[in-house]
This record gives sequence, structure tokens and C-alpha cells, in this order.
Amino acid sequence: DIVMTQSPSSLAVSAGETVTINCKSSQSLFGSVRQKNYLAWYQQKPGQSPKLLIYLASTRESGVPDRFIGSGSGTDFTLTISSVQAEDLANYYCQQYYDTPWTFGGGTKLELK
Amino acid sequence: EVKLLESGGGLVQPGGSLRLSCAASGFTFTDFYMSWIRQPPGKAPEWLGVIRNKANGYTTEYNPSVKGRFTISRDNTQNILYLQMNTLRAEDTAIYYCARGTQWFAYWGQGTLVTVSS
Repeated sequence: DIVMTQSPSSLAVSAGETVTINCKSSQSLFGSVRQKNYLAWYQQKPGQSPKLLIYLASTRESGVPDRFIGSGSGTDFTLTISSVQAEDLANYYCQQYYDTPWTFGGGTKLELK
Repeated sequence: EVKLLESGGGLVQPGGSLRLSCAASGFTFTDFYMSWIRQPPGKAPEWLGVIRNKANGYTTEYNPSVKGRFTISRDNTQNILYLQMNTLRAEDTAIYYCARGTQWFAYWGQGTLVTVSS
């Protein structure tokens, strides 16, 4: 299985800050046929289902604010949230879909400082 | 509007069985891959398996962690996805979600809680 490792596991921020969440995969997620990285990011608020933010490592899902930015390639990926708002406080997960079983990272909890 | 509504969760004893359902609406069910994903309390999601769409023969693929114990099926006349779970263990305790997507999951249900305990 491809192991996804997220860091940090938790992060305390103030509103208006820019935060970076890291996700590292145990093998490259770059698909040579489509020339794309097979990685998604999700946001999950307490008591809710995960919500898709980003797919193909950097493509924002429709309706997702442009302060959420996905980047990276190969084995190292980043989710950047610029100017964090109170509504962004949640758990964030990366997920690889390069190979089954599709696997998720352990999560990063974004908390208010 | 795409809607996914899981049901069938509850308390079950170790070694028992349970069948979960996911009622889908708002889209052409047969066109889409459907997955089951679970999330133990306070932990990350775990993908359990997928049943492909009509174009791909409704074939299934499972996470080795549950292969042989869990079975995914679909009723394409009623737009319902199923998860049959057998020989349940305490570590199967989780919220179980159905989700639509080929590789990433844009639509999730609200989940149904399965608790395995004596």
C-alpha cells in the first residue's frame, strides 16, 4: 500500500494567517500517461462528511474558495490556505489515487490560536 | 442535486453480520463508480472498496484489509448501493460512508455508525 504521511498533525493559527499542510507519499503519485499527480485534499468539519477541496494535486473543486491552493509533485505535496478564516478550522486529509487501495493521510487538525 | 443517504448501521456483536445501504439520487446511478469508505472515531478515513459503473461491467475491487469479509453490490433498478459485512470485529467500529467518484470523491453521504461490541 502507498503510505501517506501528513505533517503537522495539528496546527494552531490566528485568523488572517497563511498556513501550510504537508503530505508525503511513500512512492511517486505522478502518472506518466496523463502527466498528472494523483492526489486529492479534503476538509472535514466536526460531525460532517469530508468535503473535496482539490484533485489532481492542484485543481480546485467547483465552489472552493481560491484561498485554498494545492501544489507539489511526485512524493511531496502541500495544501496552502491563505488568510485563514474561522470557517476553515477543520481536519484536512490528503488521499492518493495512484494505486489501489486508495489511501488517506493521517490528517491535520487546524485549530484556533 | 446529488444525494447519498446511508442506513443500516447499529450495534452488532463480534462475529456478527450487517448490511449497509446507500440510497442515491440526483444523478444517473449506472454511470458512476461507487465506493464505501469508513472512518473510525477520531481517525482518518479508510477506503474499503469500489463497484464500477455499467461501462466497466460493475466489477468490484476491495482493500485487502476487508477482502473476503466485505462485499459491495448495487441495485441499479432502485439506485441503491450495498455493503455486506461479515465476521465483524471490534476494529470495524466506524462511521461508514458511501461516496461517488472514480478516483477522488466529490460526493459523500452523511454516514452511518457501526459499533461492534459485546
